[in-house]
Amino acid sequence: GAGVSQSPSNKVTEKGKDVELRCDPISGHTALYWYRQSLGQGLEFLIYFQGNSAPDKSGLPSDRFSAERTGGSVSTLTIQRTQQEDSAVYLCASSLEVNSHQDFGPGTRLTVL
Amino acid sequence: AQKVTQAQTEISVVEKEDVTLDCVYETRDTTYYLFWYKQPPSGELVFLIRRNSFDEQNEISGRYSWNFQKSTSSFNFTITASQVVDSAVYFCALRPRDSSYKLIFGSGTRLLVRP
Repeated sequence: GAGVSQSPSNKVTEKGKDVELRCDPISGHTALYWYRQSLGQGLEFLIYFQGNSAPDKSGLPSDRFSAERTGGSVSTLTIQRTQQEDSAVYLCASSLEVNSHQDFGPGTRLTVL
Repeated sequence: AQKVTQAQTEISVVEKEDVTLDCVYETRDTTYYLFWYKQPPSGELVFLIRRNSFDEQNEISGRYSWNFQKSTSSFNFTITASQVVDSAVYFCALRPRDSSYKLIFGSGTRLLVRP
């Protein structure tokens, strides 16, 4: 079956602009996660959704970052007023249930100029 | 503290050699899960194994094997008879019970298998 998909695969933006990153989880997966992978920080957790609610937003680095999930499916991660330090690969993962392993998407590479 | 340490930043071996990737974890929890993921040059993280804290049996899957030892808080990964296609970055991860299900990743070990 289809895996986790993310769009766009690459995004180049100018400092100060807003960006939206999209994640389509595997059909039927109830849990969805966003992570960020950067050279200096490795793989960092950002936010976790169970259904449409986000019980854990502890990893969001600042209030410029927000995410939502609708219909228990698609999720959007929004970064407002992007900064150069936001440049990273943003990874989405989903799992059938919270105790299952997480399946990762291919990521969105964000470059802030 | 909840932490995963992969002390080996990069390992280079010649094809057909065996190689072990080390993973040491820290957690206060008695219930937790450990994972290994592979990230090939294409970039997508691929799930390899999940192990829960109550199951210390070693596992073998083809050329891959995992050694879980709670006494030393280690979950090491061995590739037998390595192949060029094994070249990738390998991540060990911890999911403590009180973590809201997020994964805590180690910094990864880059494995290069030379022909």
